Amino acid sequence: EAGVAQSPRYKIIEKRQSVAFWCNPISGHATLYWYQQILGQGPKLLIQFQNNGVVDDSQLPKDRFSAERLKGVDSTLKIQPAKLEDSAVYLCASSLDRGAGELFFGEGSRLTVL
Amino acid sequence: EDKVVQSPLSLVVHEGDTVTLNCSYEVTNFRSLLWYKQEKKAPTFLFMLTSSGIEKKSGRLSSILDKKELFSILNITATQTGDSAIYLCACTGNTGKLIFGQGTTLQVKP
Repeated sequence: EAGVAQSPRYKIIEKRQSVAFWCNPISGHATLYWYQQILGQGPKLLIQFQNNGVVDDSQLPKDRFSAERLKGVDSTLKIQPAKLEDSAVYLCASSLDRGAGELFFGEGSRLTVL
Repeated sequence: EDKVVQSPLSLVVHEGDTVTLNCSYEVTNFRSLLWYKQEKKAPTFLFMLTSSGIEKKSGRLSSILDKKELFSILNITATQTGDSAIYLCACTGNTGKLIFGQGTTLQVKP
């Protein structure tokens, strides 16, 4: 069974530039999550999708971050414009359904903002 | 606000030692507590606990949940250098989202 796929693995940009990350969850998983993990901290949920609808985006900085999951499968997370404090690993995860318990994580996309 | 707190934040031990990692939580409509191990990449699943007092065990790792006192412990016996990692505790409510603690960084020296 293929795992959660993410790309790119690494990205370096300058502040005020934009960046996009892509995630393809495990086939059949209805719920998709984007987490931000800053060095030395635990992952923080940015947004949770159930199929193509948003369940929770309460911690997404909506002035600069956006995410979509148009067909209920893969998803894109965008940051525009980036700030220095956005440097982090962006983890995508999926689960069979809400409340299913275990989340399966991708390898993450490491963003460095200079 | 829901929160998950882990302690200690970091720990250095020698091979063969036993370690206990702690996780306390305050989560509305608590459903489950999960432990993950994170090396240099994505967190990998260790255990999911939903019931109090039932120990989950996998090799040298074990974990137990106390829903009355709202905490869990993760034990690692006879530690090896390969156990060096960040151990993350996370809780779910009925929305399914995982709320993570800060993590405990474990370093096992030879």
